[in-house]
Amino acid sequence: GNSVTQMEGPVTLSEEAFLTINCTYTATGYPSLFWYVQYPGEGLQLLLKATKADDKGSNKGFEATYRKETTSFHLEKGSVQVSDSAVYFCALNNQAGTALIFGKGTTLSVSS
Amino acid sequence: DAGVTQSPTHLIKTRGQQVTLRCSPKSGHDTVSWYQQALGQGPQFIFQYYEEEERQRGNFPDRFSGHQFPNYSSELNVNALLLGDSALYLCASSPGQGKGETQYFGPGTRLLVL
Repeated sequence: GNSVTQMEGPVTLSEEAFLTINCTYTATGYPSLFWYVQYPGEGLQLLLKATKADDKGSNKGFEATYRKETTSFHLEKGSVQVSDSAVYFCALNNQAGTALIFGKGTTLSVSS
Repeated sequence: DAGVTQSPTHLIKTRGQQVTLRCSPKSGHDTVSWYQQALGQGPQFIFQYYEEEERQRGNFPDRFSGHQFPNYSSELNVNALLLGDSALYLCASSPGQGKGETQYFGPGTRLLVL
């Protein structure tokens, strides 16, 4: 079945540093890929998504490109802020397209 | 436009009890999915409801059951609670049968089983 592997955290950065969080997937067919963010004590918020190969999702300075050849969907941001401190989850659809399969999450901590 | 809402926000129960969690989907959405998120883990899919029927189920025992109402809102019921059921329960909604669609999450209900 479909699965996703996400880099372990925590990731600790200084403000304005470059961020990369790695995500690779295993899938049958062509699932949509997602990054969700969870701030402390809250539910999940959709950060960005890509629905087909070579698509680039972007939002709030974050970007990720759907790479079919490397089965990856790495999250990047050029200059992180303290307010970006949160847990980031990579996810994809299951084969039926009905459920999301999540990675274990990567905690990002940004200090000023 | 209201997003996905869930109630209650927090709940404390004891082992063996039963609990009901509620979810109202985002306006225009007809599909509701439920997830369990244990501390420090990613959410795990419990089941999905569409047209008042359970359409798909994850790897959860029959103690977990649900219902969808004609207005698309949904309930999650858990019977014979175990300590291991302590988690954040997330509801997500999506449009148009939900297949392949983006799911939008509510704030969750945090359940503590003592």
